[in-house]
Amino acid sequence: QKEVEQDPGPLSVPEGAIVSLNCTYSNSAFQYFMWYRQYSRKGPELLMYTYSSGNKEDGRFTAQVDKSSKYISLFIRDSQPSDSATYLCAMSSSGGYNKLIFGAGTRLAVHP
Amino acid sequence: DADVTQTPRNRITKTGKRIMLECSQTKGHDRMYWYRQDPGLGLRLIYYSFDVKDINKGEISDGYSVSRQAQAKFSLSLESAIPNQTALYFCATSDARGRSGELFFGEGSRLTVL
Repeated sequence: QKEVEQDPGPLSVPEGAIVSLNCTYSNSAFQYFMWYRQYSRKGPELLMYTYSSGNKEDGRFTAQVDKSSKYISLFIRDSQPSDSATYLCAMSSSGGYNKLIFGAGTRLAVHP
Repeated sequence: DADVTQTPRNRITKTGKRIMLECSQTKGHDRMYWYRQDPGLGLRLIYYSFDVKDINKGEISDGYSVSRQAQAKFSLSLESAIPNQTALYFCATSDARGRSGELFFGEGSRLTVL
């Protein structure tokens, strides 16, 4: 079993929809949770970062961490075609060490 | 110009050939990494370096070697390429002082081994 599980999709939604992306994990030592966005033919870029449990909001994006269920989510409100990308969750037990474990990534397509 | 530059961006080679992928960065970060990305498997760490004299194996280092020529340069070598090393390779950097551990990626090097 992988340490981090993520449904690869693809996920196709109409413009304006609310998108929910999820990851589950098995290592209870994980404390640092991130979402990276990767456009086609580009490297991943950090989108959201959360430490421990709780919610974090940034514009149309909300990241949620439920450590009791070992489950993290990324919500995108009012999705736009420009949100079409692959979204990778990543997590680590030590923020300073940078040994991130990545999910496989979910490919999202938002169509007009 | 990109902060993390990888060369070449695309390479097709044959089984048994030696290949070097190069990475240079202008971000001033001490930490550099090489990842491999395969469909359905996500990003997997090959090697990482926390400074010029520090080299560490990641989870999939077999068949690969690295060289940290300077703070800004980190190269990945495949001594004798094999077809299952066909993948998208990413170099990344991070700031040792950064609490979040954010990684800054290059645009990737697509390698095909025939």
